[in-house]
Amino acid sequence: DGGITQSPKYLFRKEGQNVTLSCEQNLNHDAMYWYRQDPGQGLRLIYYSQIVNDFQKGDIAEGYSVSREKKESFPLTVTSAQKNPTAFYLCASSPTGSQGYTFGSGTRLTVV
Amino acid sequence: AQKVTQAQTEISVVEKEDVTLDCVYETRDTTYYLFWYKQPPSGELVFLIRRNSFDEQNEISGRYSWNFQKSTSSFNFTITASQVVDSAVYFCALSVGYSTLTFGKGTMLLVSP
Repeated sequence: DGGITQSPKYLFRKEGQNVTLSCEQNLNHDAMYWYRQDPGQGLRLIYYSQIVNDFQKGDIAEGYSVSREKKESFPLTVTSAQKNPTAFYLCASSPTGSQGYTFGSGTRLTVV
Repeated sequence: AQKVTQAQTEISVVEKEDVTLDCVYETRDTTYYLFWYKQPPSGELVFLIRRNSFDEQNEISGRYSWNFQKSTSSFNFTITASQVVDSAVYFCALSVGYSTLTFGKGTMLLVSP
């Protein structure tokens, strides 16, 4: 079945370490997105990519980096510059020119 | 810039009660899409409905119904005869053209038996 896979589901890291969250889709979607969710804050856009080798900053990109070397993969790196990285991270994808978004099941990152 | 406001942070009801979740949006664009998603405790986002700005017809799907009113920039969601399984966080979202989704902060619905 087609879908988005985010791994791992839970991730623990020490403060000051970079960590990379995986997002893979087999839907052949061109566009991919990363959202961050904090309690009571809704979902906020971190980065998005509409085509391979191209991506744009969202509303809260500081302290994060992404790459889009393959159509099916859009990994997110949470760097040590991110001051409060503990959150729930959701990845999504959509076909070009479509409003059909598919979301992954999320990764809960805890920094201790 | 786009904005979505869900003024209700948390709603508690008893099973079988009807409940309406409010959503107010802001955009200067004439072409846009509105969405509702459900997020159960497991965390994944479950798509409920998408409506484009040119279609103001209300929609009913089983116990769910949606009231879209451009005059008040609102897209409210009603659950009739609520059930415990409806307990979740519900998000309203807006997309302009084919850009990214802008979400409201969500409304947590608690349905008790």
